[in-house]
Amino acid sequence: QKEVEQDPGPLSVPEGAIVSLNCTYSNSAFQYFMWYRQYSRKGPELLMYTYSSGNKEDGRFTAQVDKSSKYISLFIRDSQPSDSATYLCAMKRQGNTPLVFGKGTRLSVIA
Amino acid sequence: SAVISQKPSRDICQRGTSLTIQCQVDSQVTMMFWYRQQPGQSLTLIATANQGSEATYESGFVIDKFPISRPNLTFSTLTVSNMSPEDSSIYLCSVTDSSGNTIYFGEGSWLTVV
Repeated sequence: QKEVEQDPGPLSVPEGAIVSLNCTYSNSAFQYFMWYRQYSRKGPELLMYTYSSGNKEDGRFTAQVDKSSKYISLFIRDSQPSDSATYLCAMKRQGNTPLVFGKGTRLSVIA
Repeated sequence: SAVISQKPSRDICQRGTSLTIQCQVDSQVTMMFWYRQQPGQSLTLIATANQGSEATYESGFVIDKFPISRPNLTFSTLTVSNMSPEDSSIYLCSVTDSSGNTIYFGEGSWLTVV
């Protein structure tokens, strides 16, 4: 079993839809959870960063962490064509440790 | 957040040659990480570079193929040696913030080996 599982999609939704992206993980030592957005031919851009279980909201984006189930989600409300990108979940242990990434989900928002 | 500059941003390389990628950060950082992203794939950690010590390589990556230098707290290089088409990837440099718990990436170096 991979440490981090993420459905690669692709996922195609109409403009204005609510998008739900999910990852599961197996390592209970992971304490920090991030979502990165990567546009074609660009490096990953940090979108959301969470530590504790629960929800964190930033504009149209909500990150949710359930440590008991080892499950994280990213919700995008009122999706826009500009949200079309690959979304990567990533997580790490405490301290100066590297990230472990999911495979990424390719999202297309159709106008 | 840290600002990370990578050079070159992209290159086309001949099989059998070597290329060195530079990573410059606008602030002093303890740890720098080098990742590879093969076409259509996610990011895979190559090695962790700590200033003043040898880099630590992940399983499947060796120093002879990917030598790394870390001469100071703001700079690192990754060399891809004796390149083959399988080395065609994006190579990304990343750093942690002062807490060690948030990681930022450069724009990446896109290498195509022909």
